[in-house]
Amino acid sequence: EDKVVQSPLSLVVHEGDTVTLNCSYEVTNFRSLLWYKQEKKAPTFLFMLTSSGIEKKSGRLSSILDKKELFSILNITATQTGDSAVYLCVCMDSNYQLIWGAGTKLIIKP
Amino acid sequence: DTAVSQTPKYLVTQMGNDKSIKCEQNLGHDTMYWYKQDSKKFLKIMFSYNNKELIINETVPNRFSPKSPDKAHLNLHINSLELGDSAVYFCASRARGLTQYFGPGTRLTVL
Repeated sequence: EDKVVQSPLSLVVHEGDTVTLNCSYEVTNFRSLLWYKQEKKAPTFLFMLTSSGIEKKSGRLSSILDKKELFSILNITATQTGDSAVYLCVCMDSNYQLIWGAGTKLIIKP
Repeated sequence: DTAVSQTPKYLVTQMGNDKSIKCEQNLGHDTMYWYKQDSKKFLKIMFSYNNKELIINETVPNRFSPKSPDKAHLNLHINSLELGDSAVYFCASRARGLTQYFGPGTRLTVL
């Protein structure tokens, strides 16, 4: 059965710290991996990763995919309180079905 | 057992038809959602129900009507389907806290 496992499930850090969120997956016919940030309403799309080893960056956030070891990491540098959210990792298979991780709840303390 | 399930997974239909997508969660959550994912991968909330009561109703055409027969189910009925309705629709549920558990999605294609 396909699965996506995120770790840690929750994380509390102080402003300015750097965090790394992990996502491992076992997905038959894997197509791509997506990261979302979820605050109060709909998750906000962050990255879509399809190729191994190519880092994607957006401001203080970056992510990379390792298709050999079947994992992805999401890095956030110089964290701010506005980064507090649940970060969702989701894999898309060749049929465009999504397999969601449970999320990592990130809390940034001032 | 699947926590949040949606049926069907794929739906191909003609313009003007009426169709329904079903969602069921076996997590005992009180709150359920419907999202539409557009071509840019953004998830837009459509509706939210808490204990069978509508609590969020974003700007969505009246052709979309959610129905929650009980706490574990939130179905989405769409009348007079249009080409622009083609998208992936996600159902989700939530207990307390922020984490939502999403279904696998229903890919709707309107021809």
